[in-house]
Amino acid sequence: GENVEQHPSTLSVQEGDSAVIKCTYSDSASNYFPWYKQELGKGPQLIIDIRSNVGEKKDQRIAVTLNKTAKHFSLHITETQPEDSAVYFCAASSNAGGTSYGKLTFGQGTILTVHP
Amino acid sequence: KAGVTQTPRYLIKTRGQQVTLSCSPISGHRSVSWYQQTPGQGLQFLFEYFSETQRNKGNFPGRFSGRQFSNSRSEMNVSTLELGDSALYLCASSLGGRMNTEAFFGQGTRLTVV
Repeated sequence: GENVEQHPSTLSVQEGDSAVIKCTYSDSASNYFPWYKQELGKGPQLIIDIRSNVGEKKDQRIAVTLNKTAKHFSLHITETQPEDSAVYFCAASSNAGGTSYGKLTFGQGTILTVHP
Repeated sequence: KAGVTQTPRYLIKTRGQQVTLSCSPISGHRSVSWYQQTPGQGLQFLFEYFSETQRNKGNFPGRFSGRQFSNSRSEMNVSTLELGDSALYLCASSLGGRMNTEAFFGQGTRLTVV
């Protein structure tokens, strides 16, 4: 089955700096890669996603890049703010049906701390 | 548009008991997936329901079961609770179908087994 590795496990930056979180996946059939932000006491919130037919996607201060050949994708947050502090999860899934239906395989998470 | 609603938010149960958790998806969403979140294992897929049918199941024992109703609301049940079942249980709703679509999570149900 799919395996997703996420690094780093913790990331500390100063306000205004950029933050980069990287994930690798194992299943070449994976074609959908969402990123979630989870704040304390809340469920994961979808912040951006990318499909395998796209190499990069940007939404204001957040961007995601995908390298299908190397099987890795990254989240980039620019001009970080204290409210960006949270746990970030990458995930992968495929639409191959069968054992893929509705299943997101998550990385282990990155605790991002943005210091004012 | 209302988000995904999970009830209850918190539960404390005793070993050996059973528990039922509820999830109401976003209106129009027909797929509901359940996940278990623990500090040690992270987010792990339990099962997925679409149009009242279980389409996929993760690697959890048979004590974990679920169902989906005609209005897409879903419940999951855990029987013969063990201490290790203490976790945050999350459900996610999506449009479903063959193409992967965005999955939106509820706030979760925090289950503590004592």
